[in-house]
Amino acid sequence: DAKTTQPPSMDCAEGRAANLPCNHSTISGNEYVYWYRQIHSQGPQYIIHGLKNNETNEMASLIITEDRKSSTLILPHATLRDTAVYYCIVRVGTSGTYKYIFGTGTRLKVLA
Amino acid sequence: NAGVMQNPRHLVRRRGQEARLRCSPMKGHSHVYWYRQLPEEGLKFMVYLQKENIIDESGMPKERFSAEFPKEGPSILRIQQVVRGDSAAYFCASSPPGVRSGQEVYGYTFGSGTRLTVV
Repeated sequence: DAKTTQPPSMDCAEGRAANLPCNHSTISGNEYVYWYRQIHSQGPQYIIHGLKNNETNEMASLIITEDRKSSTLILPHATLRDTAVYYCIVRVGTSGTYKYIFGTGTRLKVLA
Repeated sequence: NAGVMQNPRHLVRRRGQEARLRCSPMKGHSHVYWYRQLPEEGLKFMVYLQKENIIDESGMPKERFSAEFPKEGPSILRIQQVVRGDSAAYFCASSPPGVRSGQEVYGYTFGSGTRLTVV
């Protein structure tokens, strides 16, 4: 089973920041949080990942709470092309056998 | 550096036929993962392979499905005697080997998928 829970859907106005929450209350101390997105029926696309510090790259920012039980993905200026299903993932397994278990994700709709 | 290559992109099979889905990982990647996505659902883990080894097949149906990743050549997901319920998108992902500072921090790279339709 997935170790994360996300709201099923969200809307965001074009040009505004999209803040996508994720709960991962059972995360272990050495487990990373990964975010992927799937646009229409394409293969999932890597966005960002983090352990405990906030992270930023050219696509997004990742804010992880101090207790690491939840995180938020921020798309600073959403565009119509950001409409997609966003998956928050915590890997499961042990060293050498890690795998991603996808949850149901959040369907983000960016509105013109 | 080509990404993860999956072929065919679309595959139509009649009930009872065999389906073979191929996945060539990114150069330098020796770990391959297969996922299945039914319409309007999330991705379900099927199997994790390293070269010549199946590491985790906990998501594979017990019958008709098999996977391999030989020393040379692509990874193959094989479905025998397909049924309508096998119609789905099958995605392959790859990652590099190894551990850095005690943690595997590399993300997966996914292919574009193979859409299997059983008629």
